[in-house]
Amino acid sequence: DVKVTQSSRYLVKRTGEKVFLECVQDMDHENMFWYRQDPGLGLRLIYFSYDVKMKEKGDIPEGYSVSREKKERFSLILESASTNQTSMYLCASSLEGAGSAFFGQGTRLTVV
Amino acid sequence: AQKITQTQPGMFVQEKEAVTLDCTYDTSDPSYGLFWYKQPSSGEMIFLIYQGSYDQQNATEGRYSLNFQKARKSANLVISASQLGDSAMYFCAMREFNTGANSKLTFGKGITLSVRP
Repeated sequence: DVKVTQSSRYLVKRTGEKVFLECVQDMDHENMFWYRQDPGLGLRLIYFSYDVKMKEKGDIPEGYSVSREKKERFSLILESASTNQTSMYLCASSLEGAGSAFFGQGTRLTVV
Repeated sequence: AQKITQTQPGMFVQEKEAVTLDCTYDTSDPSYGLFWYKQPSSGEMIFLIYQGSYDQQNATEGRYSLNFQKARKSANLVISASQLGDSAMYFCAMREFNTGANSKLTFGKGITLSVRP
């Protein structure tokens, strides 16, 4: 079975902190994605990566950056956390092409 | 412009009945794929069914089928014989395969389905 693992299920951080959300997949997938999910807004794409060190902005990249130094790992970075970044963050991975994306369990981040 | 539109408010269905969840999409890419995911209250995203734009037949997976109407750009999910465990949020998503380096997966806002006993 494909496994996508996010480093934390719940996280509480202070405003202004630098926050790292880690995601690891074990199926050698080329593509990895970071989404945030908010009530009434569905899943919105923050960044995605189609290869090591390659990344593209999604629909809401402001306030976020990403890192993909190894194929299996995709990190989301909040340079200076703000309260409006309180959300559920979902990582996903997929093969190139028509394959479905597989999701991690999500990280519920609260910024206080 | 929204790529994926799911406009139904919360849906209710009686157990054992069928229900249709609507999804319309917008693309000029002739090559694309459509996905449906289920998200129960536990939060995990579960892949349900896939339809490719060139597929001749509507996709089916067990109790799930996709009513694909290409000219109308709609990809409605049909759940037959609803079960209590079908109560969840359902998301429609799309990948466009000719849009540059790689295809991102775009989601709609989701529909909440509640199954009544």
